[in-house]
Amino acid sequence: GAVVSQHPSWVICKSGTSVKIECRSLDFQATTMFWYRQFPKQSLMLMATSNEGSKATYEQGVEKDKFLINHASLTLSTLTVTSAHPEDSSFYICSVLKPGSGAGELFFGEGSRLTVL
Amino acid sequence: AQSVTQLDSQVPVFEEAPVELRCNYSSSVSVYLFWYVQYPNQGLQLLLKYLSGSTLVKSINGFEAEFNKSQTSFHLRKPSVHISDTAEYFCAVAPQGAQKLVFGQGTRLTINP
Repeated sequence: GAVVSQHPSWVICKSGTSVKIECRSLDFQATTMFWYRQFPKQSLMLMATSNEGSKATYEQGVEKDKFLINHASLTLSTLTVTSAHPEDSSFYICSVLKPGSGAGELFFGEGSRLTVL
Repeated sequence: AQSVTQLDSQVPVFEEAPVELRCNYSSSVSVYLFWYVQYPNQGLQLLLKYLSGSTLVKSINGFEAEFNKSQTSFHLRKPSVHISDTAEYFCAVAPQGAQKLVFGQGTRLTINP
């Protein structure tokens, strides 16, 4: 079964509204989660590293005030796209690092497709 | 910084035919190399990885990849594909000791009967 669950799997919103996407680790507690963004026919781009109990670490060029990340518990991280605009339409994917796992052994959610009208 | 190039966006093959999905990377530091697979309507799953040791690594479902340092490549191969191998395949690298993955653009493998 799924190890990581994302919700919602797809969402449509109006321009100017905010949208929250949840990423849950179902099988283990995770101190570290990653958020990726994927444009059509392009690779996954790392947006930020979410650390439980502390501020997220954002990659260069990613607006932290635009993409709010909260990792309030060991099993839940949320990504909020604030004041969404059509250019924010994309596929957002989270991944979870299992404690004690080997290098690169990340578990991925199914992704959340955001469409901003 | 690292970058990954998957040379083919789509690869159609017939069932039971061999297939090779190409992956080249660039990095100024030593890296770990990975292939992830995404089946329809599912999240990415680790297929195989190279960390050190033997340059030829294999998965449980018949795929293999060979790390070629001189050519900075990590091509994925399977001698005989099945319909169930239809998926999107992503090559990725991470600096040794780090967990940040840099992905290629993905290759969609389509198996025709």
